[in-house]
Amino acid sequence: AQSVTQLDSQVPVFEEAPVELRCNYSSSVSVYLFWYVQYPNQGLQLLLKYLSGSTLVKGINGFEAEFNKSQTSFHLRKPSVHISDTAEYFCAVRTLIQGAQKLVFGQGTRLTINP
Amino acid sequence: GAGVSQSPSNKVTEKGKDVELRCDPISGHTALYWYRQRLGQGLEFLIYFQGNSAPDKSGLPSDRFSAERTGESVSTLTIQRTQQEDSAVYLCASSWRPGLGETQYFGPGTRLLVL
Repeated sequence: AQSVTQLDSQVPVFEEAPVELRCNYSSSVSVYLFWYVQYPNQGLQLLLKYLSGSTLVKGINGFEAEFNKSQTSFHLRKPSVHISDTAEYFCAVRTLIQGAQKLVFGQGTRLTINP
Repeated sequence: GAGVSQSPSNKVTEKGKDVELRCDPISGHTALYWYRQRLGQGLEFLIYFQGNSAPDKSGLPSDRFSAERTGESVSTLTIQRTQQEDSAVYLCASSWRPGLGETQYFGPGTRLLVL
């Protein structure tokens, strides 16, 4: 069965600094990878996803992620963060299991931006 | 257009009572998912509906949990004889059609507290 590990539960960063949120997955089959963001008191929304093709995926709000098959990682990066990026970020993987397309989520990383 | 809506936004109940949580998916979305998010944990898949097919109930944690969906519209998640460990945020998501690369659109969630 597949699983997702987000290595950091909390990441504090100063405004305008770069950030990397780490995500590793385990799966014996081909995967589709997602990053979702949850702003305070809001539902989850998609940041970006990797389906195939280029391993560098660009998403909304200046975020990007790189799929690394050999390291089974899909780390999320932003070169310069803003206060408004304060949120919880979830990495998720999807494979076809018994006919259903389930999303398996990591435990989340709370990103806090300090002025 | 309108996103996924859920009601109530918050629910406090006593142990042993039954609760019903409602989800209104985006109009035209054929797939609907329920997830549970316990404090400090990632999202846990509960159940998946796709059109008129039999739902995938493999994520329901016990027979106290059940869900229904009327056609391709509203869904209700019912928890009978609630327990304190049922306290969590219950999230609903919908998507236009099933597919490994599909984007799921999430509602704001229902925060359930069982006293």
